Amino acid sequence: KAGVTQTPRYLIKTRGQQVTLSCSPISGHRSVSWYQQTPGQGLQFLFEYFSETQRNKGNFPGRFSGRQFSNSRSEMNVSTLELGDSALYLCASSPRTSGGEQFFGPGTRLTVL
Amino acid sequence: AQRVTQPEKLLSVFKGAPVELKCNYSYSGSPELFWYVQYSRQRLQLLLRHISRESIKGFTADLNKGETSFHLKKPFAQEEDSAMYYCALSGLQGAQKLVFGQGTRLTINP
Repeated sequence: KAGVTQTPRYLIKTRGQQVTLSCSPISGHRSVSWYQQTPGQGLQFLFEYFSETQRNKGNFPGRFSGRQFSNSRSEMNVSTLELGDSALYLCASSPRTSGGEQFFGPGTRLTVL
Repeated sequence: AQRVTQPEKLLSVFKGAPVELKCNYSYSGSPELFWYVQYSRQRLQLLLRHISRESIKGFTADLNKGETSFHLKKPFAQEEDSAMYYCALSGLQGAQKLVFGQGTRLTINP
């Protein structure tokens, strides 16, 4: 099976712009989670989706949003970008509704100038 | 609140020496604990789950509920073990949310 894929792999944006990141889970996986990875804060949970429903959201401002489509693909959006949003954004998928191994994508490196 | 603490940001040992990466957690319920590893230029991947109680690449980890710890151990380190290691906790029922520690960068010296 193909692994989790994320597009684009790299993005450069300027402050105030908005960005959309995409994640395709492993075939058959219905659970998708997003994480932000920065040198200072480490890996932080953003949100998770299962069957097109957001089940949990991390402690991030409302500028961060996401959605999941019927084919389990997921997108996350960040509006009004700030310098501090520069990070590696990781997507993970799982065949389970809770617990168990999560399979991570390679990430999207977002740089905000 | 859920919290995972990895006290060592950096750990350096010689090849053949024992390795122990520390992980402590804070959670009031019954968590599921994991060790994830990220080798250079590779994606984050699962190394161990406490539920499976197995040894992967010579690594083992035992959940100690009394000390709320889940330390990762290997008796004889190898150079290919050099990587970033993250301890993670999953606690919410019906959720996939993982709470990660800050990570420990392990370097194995020849």
